[in-house]
Amino acid sequence: AQTVTQSQPEMSVQEAETVTLSCTYDTSENNYYLFWYKQPPSRQMILVIRQEAYKQQNATENRFSVNFQKAAKSFSLKISDSQLGDTAMYFCAFMARDGDMRFGAGTRLTVKP
Amino acid sequence: DAGVTQSPTHLIKTRGQQVTLRCSPKSGHDTVSWYQQALGQGPQFIFQYYEEEERQRGNFPDRFSGHQFPNYSSELNVNALLLGDSALYLCASSLALAFSGNTIYFGEGSWLTVV
Repeated sequence: AQTVTQSQPEMSVQEAETVTLSCTYDTSENNYYLFWYKQPPSRQMILVIRQEAYKQQNATENRFSVNFQKAAKSFSLKISDSQLGDTAMYFCAFMARDGDMRFGAGTRLTVKP
Repeated sequence: DAGVTQSPTHLIKTRGQQVTLRCSPKSGHDTVSWYQQALGQGPQFIFQYYEEEERQRGNFPDRFSGHQFPNYSSELNVNALLLGDSALYLCASSLALAFSGNTIYFGEGSWLTVV
């Protein structure tokens, strides 16, 4: 069974600085997708970034980038130039061929002014 | 273009009762998945519907059942409610079978409180 682990329940960062959120996963699959979702107080899950396991190049979306280490089964999210609007819960998620998306327990990120 | 819509947004039920939650997928999407998110936890996969059939199921008892209609909308039914069923229920939609890398869109969820 696939599992996703986020070892940082809470993180904080000063506005305009950089923060990295950690995620590890366990799977025997070779082909899968990894995601980072943001969940603000409104509770709607918003896709931040997506990585396809067969692509070696790390995904980047504006201020958000990932460090994907397939052999180590690690998928960290780096947020550059943090903004107050980045304050939210962040969930790492894994999806294999069966279509069942597995989420980690989440990291609560607070951006301080 | 409307995204994923869910109803009701909030509801309160009594133990032992039954509840039905509804979801309309994003326009053009044909696959609907349901998740349960307890307070302070990540979402847990309940099941997925495609072509009006349950395609995948997570580790949830038979009290949790669902349905997908020809217009791709979906319902989640929970029977014999327990206090532990209190959670945010999220619906997600995507195009075609899930393992295509297509972006999955989530609704804002239905808050269920069981008293």
